[in-house]
Formats: sequence, C-alpha cells, structure tokens
Amino acid sequence: DTAVSQTPKYLVTQMGNDKSIKCEQNLGHDTMYWYKQDSKKFLKIMFSYNNKELIINETVPNRFSPKSPDKAHLNLHINSLELGDSAVYFCASSLNAGGPLGGELFFGEGSRLTVL
Amino acid sequence: AQSVAQPEDQVNVAEGNPLTVKCTYSVSGNPYLFWYVQYPNRGLQFLLKYITGDNLVKGSYGFEAEFNKSQTSFHLKKPSALVSDSALYFCAVREYGNKLVFGAGTILRVKS
Repeated sequence: DTAVSQTPKYLVTQMGNDKSIKCEQNLGHDTMYWYKQDSKKFLKIMFSYNNKELIINETVPNRFSPKSPDKAHLNLHINSLELGDSAVYFCASSLNAGGPLGGELFFGEGSRLTVL
Repeated sequence: AQSVAQPEDQVNVAEGNPLTVKCTYSVSGNPYLFWYVQYPNRGLQFLLKYITGDNLVKGSYGFEAEFNKSQTSFHLKKPSALVSDSALYFCAVREYGNKLVFGAGTILRVKS
C-alpha cells in the first residue's frame, strides 16, 4: 500500500479553470502538508493541517483552498488557474511531534499541474 | 527565520569514490536538520536527521551526515558512491509547526 497517495498524477488544463488534487495517507499521522515545487525544483510549503485544523498558511493566493475532511485526507482546490500555477504539488504527512520525534515528512509522488 | 543553503548546484563524482554534498544552516537556537533525496519524477524520501547527540548521523542507503556547529554545516557524505545514488538532494531545517524549510537542492551525478 502506498503510504501517501495523490491523485491525479498529471493535470493539464486551461487558464481560468478550477481543479482539485486529492491526498490520502495511511500512516496514522496527524499532520499533513502541501508543498509546491517550481520548475527550478525549489520546494516551498503552502499549507499544513493538524487533525483537520489549519496550522500553517504561507503567503499563498486566495485562489488556493485546502480542505481536510479528516486527518488522513488533505485536498487542494485551485480556482481561476494561472500560468504561474504550473508546478509539481507534493502532499506530505508527519507526526506532529516536537523534539526528536518531529520533522520527518513522508511525501507523495507529486501531482504535475500544467496550465496552458 | 531558519534557513539552509546548498552552495553547489551539481556535484559530480566517479563511482566508488567518496561523495560530499554540502549544506550550511542559519538558525536561532538548536537546529533540527534533515537530508532528503528525490529521484526523477518521484517524491522526496527521508535520508537522515540531526536532532541532538552525536555529530555523525547515519541514515539510509549508506549515507551519513556530519553536524559541525562551529562551521554551521551539515554535509551529507557517503564513502563509496554508486551510480544509483544519482539524484537531487535537499537539505532542510525544521521551523515552527513542524514545517520544513528546504535548500535549493544539489544534483548528484555519479559516473561509472
């Protein structure tokens, strides 16, 4: 079983459309994340949820809206897509533990979004 | 804010030779540092982390990293490189909320 799974793996869409990416983890973790990797492979956190509660919300346009129906799922909806949204979006999960137990993230395979 | 820097875009090494991928950090307080690897068209995989204790940390696939507080460095090393080690390597530091801040990444190319 895949620990962190994302769907779809590839998305090609037109500017102005709305799209969603889904993520599920079966690791029993309580914290999930969305990261964006741009064309230069730079990784930046977008959002983080802990037990369905938003705990990290970086400077991301309002067009991006995460939703966590339960602690095993974190979805990302993007409205009015723009060319600059083209990237690979990674979902990740971890235990939200401080100290030595924290920090290890488990990543999904990524969802490559191409906006034309 | 915590940050890490990876000064090399790419590192080339011959198979069987030792490899080093460099990372320096800038943090307030004690650093929690990580190395991840990304193979083409894949997600990131955790290699190792430094929290506290021994300065030499051992991780997956024969990798290790040396924490050096005086040089604020956390370089990734392996005694003998394999062609299959060729990938993109990221150094990261933990911030609030268990958030990881990643470096820009270093491409490792191991040639046979």
